[in-house]
Amino acid sequence: EAQVTQNPRYLITVTGKKLTVTCSQNMNHEYMSWYRQDPGLGLRQIYYSMNVEVTDKGDVPEGYKVSRKEKRNFPLILESPSPNQTSLYFCASSPMDGAEYGYTFGSGTRLTVV
Amino acid sequence: RKEVEQDPGPFNVPEGATVAFNCTYSNSASQSFFWYRQDCRKEPKLLMSVYSSGNEDGRFTAQLNRASQYISLLIRDSKLSDSATYLCVVIRGSTLGRLYFGRGTQLTVWP
Repeated sequence: EAQVTQNPRYLITVTGKKLTVTCSQNMNHEYMSWYRQDPGLGLRQIYYSMNVEVTDKGDVPEGYKVSRKEKRNFPLILESPSPNQTSLYFCASSPMDGAEYGYTFGSGTRLTVV
Repeated sequence: RKEVEQDPGPFNVPEGATVAFNCTYSNSASQSFFWYRQDCRKEPKLLMSVYSSGNEDGRFTAQLNRASQYISLLIRDSKLSDSATYLCVVIRGSTLGRLYFGRGTQLTVWP
């Protein structure tokens, strides 16, 4: 089944403890990206990648890191999480002609930083 | 000014009603446009792409007006299962990886 898989689905952590949220897609898509969704603010892009080793900042990159060493994986790293990073996170992927076909989203990761 | 603006609603309509959502975008270089549907606490799912000539998929019709930088979604004969939040999404032509989301319009269809 074609899909974008995020792990974990739920995570509670403490301030300052490094964490990684994994994202993997099995559709051989070139584009991958990360979003956070907060009440009243909608979905905001954190980082995106247009291919292996090519990443760029979105609207809210502060406090996050990403890497794209393989085409299928695009992990989101929080080196020192803070409570304002408590949010619902989505990973998404698209083929190169995603402008035609849109993006496929993972099921989301609900992160709480205490 | 936000990249994409949507009327947040909520829209509460009876089954069988016709409802229309609007969305405006600020950057004239925007090239691709979509409507996504998001159920509560779930991931957004592509509903339909929006083309300049307008396009229809069953009960759903999407329109794009580039001159006014305006996108619309029309839902005819609303079903209970249409209850969701509808997200307007825009991609700029120069940076295909950059997506801009509206805040979403909430729809509730009641029996």
